[in-house]
Amino acid sequence: QQQVKQSPQSLIVQKGGISIINCAYENTAFDYFPWYQQFPGKGPALLIAIRPDVSEKKEGRFTISFNKSAKQFSLHIMDSQPGDSATYFCAASMYRGNKLVFGAGTILRVKS
Amino acid sequence: DAGVIQSPRHEVTEMGQEVTLRCKPISGHDYLFWYRQTMMRGLELLIYFNNNVPIDDSGMPEDRFSAKMPNASFSTLKIQPSEPRDSAVYFCASSLWGGPNTEAFFGQGTRLTVV
Repeated sequence: QQQVKQSPQSLIVQKGGISIINCAYENTAFDYFPWYQQFPGKGPALLIAIRPDVSEKKEGRFTISFNKSAKQFSLHIMDSQPGDSATYFCAASMYRGNKLVFGAGTILRVKS
Repeated sequence: DAGVIQSPRHEVTEMGQEVTLRCKPISGHDYLFWYRQTMMRGLELLIYFNNNVPIDDSGMPEDRFSAKMPNASFSTLKIQPSEPRDSAVYFCASSLWGGPNTEAFFGQGTRLTVV
């Protein structure tokens, strides 16, 4: 019940295209859903996060869409750039405790 | 602040040896997490502390693994004895519980290779 399932494992997108990464969770007690970005040799860093009381959150070219009834959420990267090439992790946690459960990660490559 | 600081960045050790990984969290943060990252299993939470007290160590794989947090500015993860399957990148992260959008800040990780 603690799992967060992420897809696809890898993604290749042309520069300027839209990158879409999907995640699904099981535990309905989760109420915080962040996305982390990781570059080679670095630790993950928070990209954007959402609470389940909203269906969408946008920050620049990055948008999270959240479907509470389906227990799914996704990351959309608009106008994808080569600098966006990285590994993206979705995660989930409960309000109290900060214990993040991560998805398996998606390796994104944006071709110029 | 310099962020979460981990040492060493790289560690190569022989099977059976003791390995100690170190972490200095961001000053003022009251949560500290140890994660392990491998290709096969992704990012796994090993243990986390709140105000220096271990809260959940259910992710610690075996008794060979132990973690301590003697004070608010230092934590260690020890593996004794180490085995080749322990080879992974180990991350330390810290956060300040301040509400629903608390961010966990990760260190740069320690790449451990056990030969």
